[in-house]
Amino acid sequence: SQQGEEDPQALSIQEGENATMNCSYKTSINNLQWYRQNSGRGLVHLILIRSNEREKHSGRLRVTLDTSKKSSSLLITASRAADTASYFCATDANNNAGNMLTFGGGTRLMVKP
Amino acid sequence: DAGITQSPRHKVTETGTPVTLRCHQTENHRYMYWYRQDPGHGLRLIHYSYGVKDTDKGEVSDGYSVSRSKTEDFLLTLESATSSQTSVYFCAISVQGGSPLHFGNGTRLTVT
Repeated sequence: SQQGEEDPQALSIQEGENATMNCSYKTSINNLQWYRQNSGRGLVHLILIRSNEREKHSGRLRVTLDTSKKSSSLLITASRAADTASYFCATDANNNAGNMLTFGGGTRLMVKP
Repeated sequence: DAGITQSPRHKVTETGTPVTLRCHQTENHRYMYWYRQDPGHGLRLIHYSYGVKDTDKGEVSDGYSVSRSKTEDFLLTLESATSSQTSVYFCAISVQGGSPLHFGNGTRLTVT
């Protein structure tokens, strides 16, 4: 079963626009992470936000976390064609003795030049 | 790719044959993981290791076994491959449980 679920499943925007992806999860967490996957490659870690944090920035990325709603969002500002990829959220549930990450199904982002 | 090598990168095998996938890391990370990625299911954890000879099951461990005899190597074995095990398999490593994962580039396995 997937702890995290991304929304939308697919998103198509023009270069320069902002892209927002959402993640909802079911149980309380220690942290939530976002990953990016280019076609045919492994996932790459983008950003980690802890359960006691509400917002975090990294370059053009902005992540928010609302633990009361069990949701997170990833905002990519001023998108570029190179941002075309799939984006996944992953949660580290705090009832998980091994602190294993559980991944959502991902959002496929296409940025058109 | 954080010093992670998966081999082979592609493999086609027949139903009922044994298959072993290898993951090799040069980062000396304690934790190693095997995930499978399938359309509609995202990534699902098969097995993980938290040290040499220390392994545990993940969400979809049936039909798979693992071994870790050295810090740098983590092997995934399909004892008798089935068509449902056709997938892309990813190895990942981390410093500790819950830490960011660093992934290999995957092994595409096709079971005919």
